[in-house]
Amino acid sequence: DAKTTQPTSMDCAEGRAANLPCNHSTISGNEYVYWYRQIHSQGPQYIIHGLKNNETNEMASLIITEDRKSSTLILPHATLRDTAVYYCIVRSSGKSTFGDGTTLTVKP
Amino acid sequence: ETGVTQSPTHLIKTRGQQVTLRCSSQSGHNTVSWYQQALGQGPQFIFQYYREEENGRGNFPPRFSGLQFPNYSSELNVNALELDDSALYLCASSLEPAGAGETQYFGPGTRLLVL
Repeated sequence: DAKTTQPTSMDCAEGRAANLPCNHSTISGNEYVYWYRQIHSQGPQYIIHGLKNNETNEMASLIITEDRKSSTLILPHATLRDTAVYYCIVRSSGKSTFGDGTTLTVKP
Repeated sequence: ETGVTQSPTHLIKTRGQQVTLRCSSQSGHNTVSWYQQALGQGPQFIFQYYREEENGRGNFPPRFSGLQFPNYSSELNVNALELDDSALYLCASSLEPAGAGETQYFGPGTRLLVL
């Protein structure tokens, strides 16, 4: 599975959009991009995934560049409860290879 | 809530002992994966079970072993515990193993402390 690179930490003001970037320059054609988040060492929570097209669900939007070498997770209106570690994963098989993620802190 | 449950929630063992952790997968899911998460790091893949057979393994020694039962629940066994085995152990279930489009849903984890 391809390696991902994420910033170590980011801050966001409450109510504003949080944009979390992820680089996956070695991604191959059959690998999906997944995003999870983890709050206070609970189990990772699934957010969204995509292959080529941009995706949106009730939690977030996922924007994947045309060359698929990077993506951005967008939380449209961040709340204090969105403070967590966010993991970007690219996966072609059953296992998910996690990096160290981005610690997002939402501030009042 | 994902429907994936794990037991126990916390466990304390001493070095050299053996431990068994349990996971019940989400209803309808036949694949279970186990991950180890050390403090401050991302989860690391241990192995995956599909229809009671091991279906992939990460870089963990043979003293980490597992089982999957006909109802698709699973156990992770660790023998000869070492201090570095202290971690959060996560179980994830999915509908099928190999498809990259199959989402894995994680349980709350078991926190193991080895003294």
